[in-house]
Amino acid sequence: SQTIHQWPATLVQPVGSPLSLECTVEGTSNPNLYWYRQAAGRGLQLLFYSVGIGQISSEVPQNLSASRPQDRQFILSSKKLLLSDSGFYLCAWHRGSSYEQYFGPGTRLTVT
Amino acid sequence: AQTVTQSQPEMSVQEAETVTLSCTYDTSESNYYLFWYKQPPSRQMILVIRQEAYKQQNATENRFSVNFQKAAKSFSLKISDSQLGDTAMYFCASTRGGSYDKVIFGPGTSLSVIP
Repeated sequence: SQTIHQWPATLVQPVGSPLSLECTVEGTSNPNLYWYRQAAGRGLQLLFYSVGIGQISSEVPQNLSASRPQDRQFILSSKKLLLSDSGFYLCAWHRGSSYEQYFGPGTRLTVT
Repeated sequence: AQTVTQSQPEMSVQEAETVTLSCTYDTSESNYYLFWYKQPPSRQMILVIRQEAYKQQNATENRFSVNFQKAAKSFSLKISDSQLGDTAMYFCASTRGGSYDKVIFGPGTSLSVIP
């Protein structure tokens, strides 16, 4: 069966510091991968998605970037965090014609 | 821009009763997929049910069923025999565009099941 991991689970970082969140998927190959941000009490905003290694599409211009160095690894980064980057970050994947996405456990990021 | 609307920010239901969560969406596509996701206090997003727009029959998964009205662009979720574990945020979602690779989510409905 497929599983998706995210780490860290919780992160507190000062403004201006760098960021690296990692997501990995097991049990499948060539998945579509997604990064979402969820603000408190709100829906999900798609940040980036990837259909293959090195292929990244950005949905919202912002302080963040994404990379996919391996087939089942997706990384969300920032060179300098802003207060507005605080939130709950979710990674998701899907493959094939079912189109539903499966989510990781998320990372709670607080920028102080 | 494509949108998904959930007009009920909060709802409550007595344990063992039935509740219906509303969702409307806006799309220009003739075929698309619709989903309901559940996010309990753990914040793990869990797929509850999916519906393919070209299928007339409403999807069901155990105590969860949908009322899909394609012409009205409505996709409501009915939870029967509500249980305490159903307490969660519920998000309605729709594939976006013709490729189905992207999904747009509604703002969510917070459901509380009262013992």
